Amino acid sequence: NAGVTQTPKFQVLKTGQSMTLQCAQDMNHEYMSWYRQDPGMGLRLIHYSVGAGITDQGEVPNGYNVSRSTTEDFPLRLLSAAPSQTSVYFCASSYGTSGRAENTGELFFGEGSRLTVL
Amino acid sequence: EDQVTQSPEALRLQEGESSSLNCSYTVSGLRGLFWYRQDPGKGPEFLFTLYSAGEEKEKERLKATLTKKESFLHITAPKPEDSATYLCAVGMKTSYDKVIFGPGTSLSVIP
Repeated sequence: NAGVTQTPKFQVLKTGQSMTLQCAQDMNHEYMSWYRQDPGMGLRLIHYSVGAGITDQGEVPNGYNVSRSTTEDFPLRLLSAAPSQTSVYFCASSYGTSGRAENTGELFFGEGSRLTVL
Repeated sequence: EDQVTQSPEALRLQEGESSSLNCSYTVSGLRGLFWYRQDPGKGPEFLFTLYSAGEEKEKERLKATLTKKESFLHITAPKPEDSATYLCAVGMKTSYDKVIFGPGTSLSVIP
């Protein structure tokens, strides 16, 4: 059981380049989300999805795009990278609002993708 | 404004020296309060969920408690392997799908 898998683990971009961070989960979770983590600021929500075909904005969505065509995958696209997007990005998934007994509200996180924009 | 703060920012303890970490929150309707542990270079790992004031949860040397405005993570007789960053997060009834994280407390346990 792989859980939440993120690729790549490390990436260096030049200002203005675009790229996609990949996220896949194999737990049949309804809910998936992307966070960025910066020193002293904690994890901040970028975008989230409550199911295939449904996405919404979090606290810091500008400069990022998402789509959810399948339950398993939730890619994050940087349209035109800027130095302010240098950060560690985490994908997380959960059972969402399901009434399942095992639903503690726990978010399952990937290992992170460290992005540097020069 | 919904927000979560944590104190202290960093804490150094001698092995066996018990202490507490604080998480204060301001949200318009608490759905649940979560504690996570994060090791360097890794994603956060779930520890506890607390739903209502007065609730307590325990796991090995860790005990989490909840009041109407804050939560405490008590660490009893810590060991070096407890060294990590501890994150507090809240889920809100008003925005069911959003979870807000605090900045974390970096704990170092010295042998």
